[in-house]
Amino acid sequence: DTGVSQNPRHKITKRGQNVTFRCDPISEHNRLYWYRQTLGQGPEFLTYFQNEAQLEKSRLLSDRFSAERPKGSFSTLEIQRTEQGDSAMYLCASSSGTGEAYGYTFGSGTRLTVV
Amino acid sequence: ILNVEQSPQSLHVQEGDSTNFTCSFPSSNFYALHWYRWETAKSPEALFVMTLNGDEKKKGRISATLNTKEGYSYLYIKGSQPEDSATYLCAPQPRGSQGNLIFGKGTKLSVKP
Repeated sequence: DTGVSQNPRHKITKRGQNVTFRCDPISEHNRLYWYRQTLGQGPEFLTYFQNEAQLEKSRLLSDRFSAERPKGSFSTLEIQRTEQGDSAMYLCASSSGTGEAYGYTFGSGTRLTVV
Repeated sequence: ILNVEQSPQSLHVQEGDSTNFTCSFPSSNFYALHWYRWETAKSPEALFVMTLNGDEKKKGRISATLNTKEGYSYLYIKGSQPEDSATYLCAPQPRGSQGNLIFGKGTKLSVKP
């Protein structure tokens, strides 16, 4: 297992278009997190899955955002009707517990630019 | 909502200098404190996770301490090397969260050869 994989690495899209990102976590990790980082800020929590169940969503996750994790494996994050304010780095992380033992394993992120 | 502050925002040092950063957070509702190193174009990498007041952890030339009563953590780098150049993020984990982390804005370290 080579770690957490995110695709694509970069995405440029026109305002109003829909985009979908994919995250492949470490296979034995049952917990998966999505974070978003905008310029000058630290990563902000978006949503969390334990296996296939989405257990928590941040108020940052408007109804234009939806995330899934079918079968508790890979996850997708979709943004509908993108806005310029959605431009950010979207990070995925996974862990086998609540992270206090070893921390989380992060992917390299998907950088979204909305023009 | 936790208010996490990291200082300094950025730091430029010469190779061989030792340096330290600060992370402060509200001490109430604390469960754990994470430190991550994030190099440009790479993934954030976990350095330390600390839970107990007075915890000290070390990984090579990097070490960290934790004071949960007053709500701060220090990260130390001894004899900085150019490969230490990165953004260092701290992230408290609140008690009762599902493991969600509240990240600070980070300290960007540049080490000149």
